[in-house]
Amino acid sequence: QSVLIQPPSVSGTPGQSVTISCSGSSSNVGSDTVHWFQQFPGTAPKLLIYTNNQRPSGVPDRFSGSKSGTSASLAISGLQSEDEADYYCAAWDDSQDGVYVFGTGTKVTVL
Amino acid sequence: QVHLVESGGGVVQPGTSLRLSCAASGFTFGAYAMHWVRQAPGKGLEWVAVVSSNEGSQYYAESVKGRFTISRDNSRNTLFLQMDSLRGEDTAMYYCAKATGWVAAKSQPIIWGQGTLVAVSS
Repeated sequence: QSVLIQPPSVSGTPGQSVTISCSGSSSNVGSDTVHWFQQFPGTAPKLLIYTNNQRPSGVPDRFSGSKSGTSASLAISGLQSEDEADYYCAAWDDSQDGVYVFGTGTKVTVL
Repeated sequence: QVHLVESGGGVVQPGTSLRLSCAASGFTFGAYAMHWVRQAPGKGLEWVAVVSSNEGSQYYAESVKGRFTISRDNSRNTLFLQMDSLRGEDTAMYYCAKATGWVAAKSQPIIWGQGTLVAVSS
């Protein structure tokens, strides 16, 4: 059972901006950096954002991450059809002797 | 270019064992921690385990602790996941992933393989 809570789905029209929230606690988001992964159906996840707000090379600047306290967010501006995918936040959790936890996942739909 | 190829998946009966492998290339394998992450059909991602670059430390998800063992052979650039006492809920696609650094704790899975499918069924 995931300890990072995300909305099951968000949607928007092309060009709009959407935001995905990731709610955690003091033992995970509140004490470690947050990462975001993008996954298309039938493919492996890909790192989208690391260390709260850093984009790996090749990730468009339409994607941005932020963190405040025990919550984090992924924003997609100028939504494009190719952004339709599943998105997961993740962080280390210092409880249970140290585990890495993923969020529940959010399906982004481009209307 | 980092390349990770998982193998060893298949259909097995509950209570049996399976060993997954992950062949790595394109980077200095022995310098990085490595993760296993799984995804049950139609479900979200679930982290399984991580091992440090020198195999000095390992961390496991509670759901697999005591049943799964992560290990590596740096001379063969290969990561392993020994899975014992398999259960139906272990059915999933299993991905290996390269971590951010050599330390297991606080590392993140940043580059992933394409996965190998494990199905546990009687």
